Amino acid sequence: AQKITQTQPGMFVQEKEAVTLDCTYDTSDQSYGLFWYKQPSSGEMIFLIYQGSYDEQNATEGRYSLNFQKARKSANLVISASQLGDSAMYFCAENAGNNRKLIWGLGTSLAVNP
Amino acid sequence: DVKVTQSSRYLVKRTGEKVFLECVQDMDHENMFWYRQDPGLGLRLIYFSYDVKMKEKGDIPEGYSVSREKKERFSLILESASTNQTSMYLCASRIPRTVLSSNQPQHFGDGTRLSIL
Repeated sequence: AQKITQTQPGMFVQEKEAVTLDCTYDTSDQSYGLFWYKQPSSGEMIFLIYQGSYDEQNATEGRYSLNFQKARKSANLVISASQLGDSAMYFCAENAGNNRKLIWGLGTSLAVNP
Repeated sequence: DVKVTQSSRYLVKRTGEKVFLECVQDMDHENMFWYRQDPGLGLRLIYFSYDVKMKEKGDIPEGYSVSREKKERFSLILESASTNQTSMYLCASRIPRTVLSSNQPQHFGDGTRLSIL
């Protein structure tokens, strides 16, 4: 069965530093997509960035980028120049093949220290 | 911008009550989803719907039912609420997955924190 693993339950980072949140997946499909979401303490899920399995370039979206290593089946989220507002839960999810559903990791809690 | 609206942010009900959680989206999305989120368990899919009047069970459908009579509205029903259904409930929508839309994310509402006493 498909599975998303986020090995870091909690992370701390100093304001203005970069941080990497890990995500590994184990699909056997050739075509798949990986999504990252942010969930602040208020509860809403906010889409951040997407990486397709056939994308040749690592995805970037403002201060967010993906370190996509297909052979290692990892899609780590990099947040540059951390801000206090980045403190939140971060979830990695995969959409593989013809599956309409997302497979979710358990999330990483990020705390940005001033 | 996509807008997914859940009817309540906070809801308190009693054991045995029939509870309705409503979700409305304004972007003509065909796929809609209901999740529950519990600490340490992440997001778990309860039901999803890929079209009007169509539904499929997710990973934890027991104790729940759904209704999709109109494209924009997807309702989650707790037939007889129990205390173990106290949770955060999240609704999401997205367009159909086609070759051209595989990169389309799910868009979420603000969530409903449901307490069953």
